[in-house]
Amino acid sequence: ETGVTQSPTHLIKTRGQQVTLRCSSQSGHNTVSWYQQALGQGPQFIFQYYREEENGRGNFPPRFSGLQFPNYSSELNVNALELDDSALYLCASSSTGTGEKLFFGSGTQLSVL
Amino acid sequence: DQQVKQNSPSLSVQEGRISILNCDYTNSMFDYFLWYKKYPAEGPTFLISISSIKDKNEDGRFTVFLNKSAKHLSLHIVPSQPGDSAVYFCAASAGGGSNYKLTFGKGTLLTVNP
Repeated sequence: ETGVTQSPTHLIKTRGQQVTLRCSSQSGHNTVSWYQQALGQGPQFIFQYYREEENGRGNFPPRFSGLQFPNYSSELNVNALELDDSALYLCASSSTGTGEKLFFGSGTQLSVL
Repeated sequence: DQQVKQNSPSLSVQEGRISILNCDYTNSMFDYFLWYKKYPAEGPTFLISISSIKDKNEDGRFTVFLNKSAKHLSLHIVPSQPGDSAVYFCAASAGGGSNYKLTFGKGTLLTVNP
């Protein structure tokens, strides 16, 4: 059974640029959630995708957007990067059977200079 | 506005002793609570959970206690082992069907000394 994988592991961008982060769900999981973890903070919910549609969103501006594909993999896109976007971005997958027990990837560490 | 609070940034215990990690919440709509463990350079890993209809859930060395009236939960690890050294996050969910949004605390760094 393959776990949640994220790419890339590290990324450096400059302010104003755009970035795309990728996530492959754990086998059998149809729901993907994205979280942002700033330094010294707990993960903060960005949004969730279920059956290729956004199904819940946290307090993040529209420049944070996402996609879920038919194979349940997902992308997180961030436009017009700001310095405060520097954080660890975590992808988590789940299914109806797992409920709130999310399975997290190792994350993508994004640095915005 | 922190809805889930872990007021102890760090905790140090001796191997074999009990570790008690605490968590407080403010949102009365939370009905499911989880603890996650995180090692450096890895994603959080699910440890144990408890529904609001229970006040205790046990899994091996790990026990979670829930006090709804006080809006407080705690994780007990007995006996503590050096491999338990990690950051522990408390998380809560308000249910809502298939929307599995978790609200996390800031975490507590547990260090178990040999």
